[in-house]
Amino acid sequence: GAVVSQHPSRVICKSGTSVKIECRSLDFQATTMFWYRQFPKKSLMLMATSNEGSKATYEQGVEKDKFLINHASLTLSTLTVTSAHPEDSSFYICSARDHGSPNTGELFFGEGSRLTVL
Amino acid sequence: GENVEQHPSTLSVQEGDSAVIKCTYSDSASNYFPWYKQELGKRPQLIIDIRSNVGEKKDQRIAVTLNKTAKHFSLHITETQPEDSAVYFCAASTGYSTLTFGKGTMLLVSP
Repeated sequence: GAVVSQHPSRVICKSGTSVKIECRSLDFQATTMFWYRQFPKKSLMLMATSNEGSKATYEQGVEKDKFLINHASLTLSTLTVTSAHPEDSSFYICSARDHGSPNTGELFFGEGSRLTVL
Repeated sequence: GENVEQHPSTLSVQEGDSAVIKCTYSDSASNYFPWYKQELGKRPQLIIDIRSNVGEKKDQRIAVTLNKTAKHFSLHITETQPEDSAVYFCAASTGYSTLTFGKGTMLLVSP
């Protein structure tokens, strides 16, 4: 299947700093990528849909200015958590669909990034 | 929008038993229903999926059934093994729309 790579896998930062997480589709082009947040023992909560070359679409309740999403190319989307605070600590996962895959609709996930804000 | 309910939230079985996880969805237009397995601290992995034009699909010990009329679908794991222990998520979507996930089921298989 298609491969989605996410970096960094773990990051610890001080409160007030910004953290950037990268999501790359390694062997396919992804016009759309999705960013999820997952709390311990909880489900995947969709934060936003990242569209290549245009603004991201945020889900209700997600702060656009807090979680900046950039999708500058067909293989890269970034999520920047600005002025991070302890309550932003979470597991962030990106995903993408390979529209060229015969199994259309299948979502491929990155490895996830565990953010800890001190 | 779509709403997906998943039950049970936790499921404990003995090795060799069968496990069944059930999901319901609200949007009758949904036509794609994947199941993901997520081990602790790792990414979700697709284990099986079904589309609305079929009622059942099987892959070795794993099977999924879909009842479009009742708008529910189920995951069946037979001859469970300890390595099946993980969190399982069902999801639903329409074509290329975003997937809506259930809340997950933590499956524990005891040796």
